[in-house]
Amino acid sequence: GAVVSQHPSWVICKSGTSVKIECRSLDFQATTMFWYRQFPKQSLMLMATSNEGSKATYEQGVEKDKFLINHASLTLSTLTVTSAHPEDSSFYICSAPGTGGYEQFFGPGTRLTVL
Amino acid sequence: EDQVTQSPEALRLQEGESSSLNCSYTVSGLRGLFWYRQDPGKGPEFLFTLYSAGEEKEKERLKATLTKKESFLHITAPKPEDSATYLCAVQRAGNQFYFGTGTSLTVIP
Repeated sequence: GAVVSQHPSWVICKSGTSVKIECRSLDFQATTMFWYRQFPKQSLMLMATSNEGSKATYEQGVEKDKFLINHASLTLSTLTVTSAHPEDSSFYICSAPGTGGYEQFFGPGTRLTVL
Repeated sequence: EDQVTQSPEALRLQEGESSSLNCSYTVSGLRGLFWYRQDPGKGPEFLFTLYSAGEEKEKERLKATLTKKESFLHITAPKPEDSATYLCAVQRAGNQFYFGTGTSLTVIP
């Protein structure tokens, strides 16, 4: 089956610094990837759609200048949380659609803690 | 406005006690309804996809059904290893997924 990886699996940073999270499709190509965030005991909230070779599409209420998304290749999308603050602490998960675009394959998630 | 609502929020069952989880949805342009299992600190794990009303799918102790307004995940004779959060998601045209808030299932030995 299709595998999506994320790196790092967890990160702790100081307030005001920037953090980059990578999402890779390991055995398939993905022209589109999705980024979600999940707060404790809450469901996944779609943040943005990452498009290879073009700008990301952000969901309403998500600051595009704070959450920078770059889809540099058919197997890699990155999410950079700029000037992170404690309220950005969350579980960030990416996904990529399988062949035909129906199934979604999820990464294992990245736990971000901002001190 | 598109909406996905799951109930109950939490469910505690004795081992072997069958039950059902509900996912109600209102969405325009539904491409599919998905069920996922999520263990703490991990990404969602795919269980089922349902595309049209009347469709049913089964896998071991789980069975998913779909109507025009809701989906049920039936759990038959659950075991402690079935304890997890079960997420329902709807897929719209454009492939975006919108998730419900999940049902946290605990199966007590």
